[in-house]
Amino acid sequence: GENVEQHPSTLSVQEGDSAVIKCTYSDSASNYFPWYKQELGKRPQLIIDIRSNVGEKKDQRIAVTLNKTAKHFSLHITETQPEDSAVYFCAATIQNYGGSQGNLIFGKGTKLSVKP
Amino acid sequence: ETGVTQTPRHLVMGMTNKKSLKCEQHLGHNAMYWYKQSAKKPLELMFVYNFKEQTENNSVPSRFSPECPNSSHLFLHLHTLQPEDSALYLCASSRQGGRTEAFFGQGTRLTVV
Repeated sequence: GENVEQHPSTLSVQEGDSAVIKCTYSDSASNYFPWYKQELGKRPQLIIDIRSNVGEKKDQRIAVTLNKTAKHFSLHITETQPEDSAVYFCAATIQNYGGSQGNLIFGKGTKLSVKP
Repeated sequence: ETGVTQTPRHLVMGMTNKKSLKCEQHLGHNAMYWYKQSAKKPLELMFVYNFKEQTENNSVPSRFSPECPNSSHLFLHLHTLQPEDSALYLCASSRQGGRTEAFFGQGTRLTVV
C-alpha cells in the first residue's frame, strides 16, 4: 500500500471559506511532515511544516495539525483567497526507504480551486 | 530562486537518443534527489544521494541512470526511453536527508517521441 495518502484529490471552495486537506502515513517512526504548494508551471515550495514533538503549528492563515497516535496530519487554510489556488502536497519522512535520515515521500496532491 | 538549478528546462528526445539532465545546488546540502512528476504519480521519488552515496533506488528502470560526482551536482542519464517516460523531472536537495526541508529545482519537462 501507499506510504502517504492524501485526500481529497480536488477541492473547490468559495473565496473566504476554509479549506482542509488531510493526509495519513504508515511509518510510525516518521517525525517530519512538510506541506508544499505548487502553482501552475512552478516548482513545489514549502509553506509550512511540523515535527512529531508538536501537535499544531500556525502561520497566519495556514495551520497544520498532527495526530501521531492516529498517524494523520492536516492542512487548514482559513479566509481563502484566489491566489491560494494551487496543488498542495503533504509529505512524511519514511524510514523504511533506507538511510538513517529517511526520505520524504509525498502524497498524490490536492488541487485547490478558490472561486472569487 | 531556491538555489537549485536544473538544465535544460525542456527536452525533446527520440527513443533511441541518449541525453542527460543536470542539477546543481550551492546551498551546502548533503542530500540530493530525483523526483518524477506525472499525471498518474504527482511526485514519485526515483533516486536519493546522501553525501554522494546512492541510498535509494525506488525500483526505477535501468534506462534511467543517476550520477552524483560531488555533493553539489546531480545528473540523470537517459537512454532508450519510452513515450510513457515523458514527464516533469524535478531535482531537490536538503540539508539533512528526509528530516529537513527539500528545495526543488524548476524541473526539466521531458518529452519522448
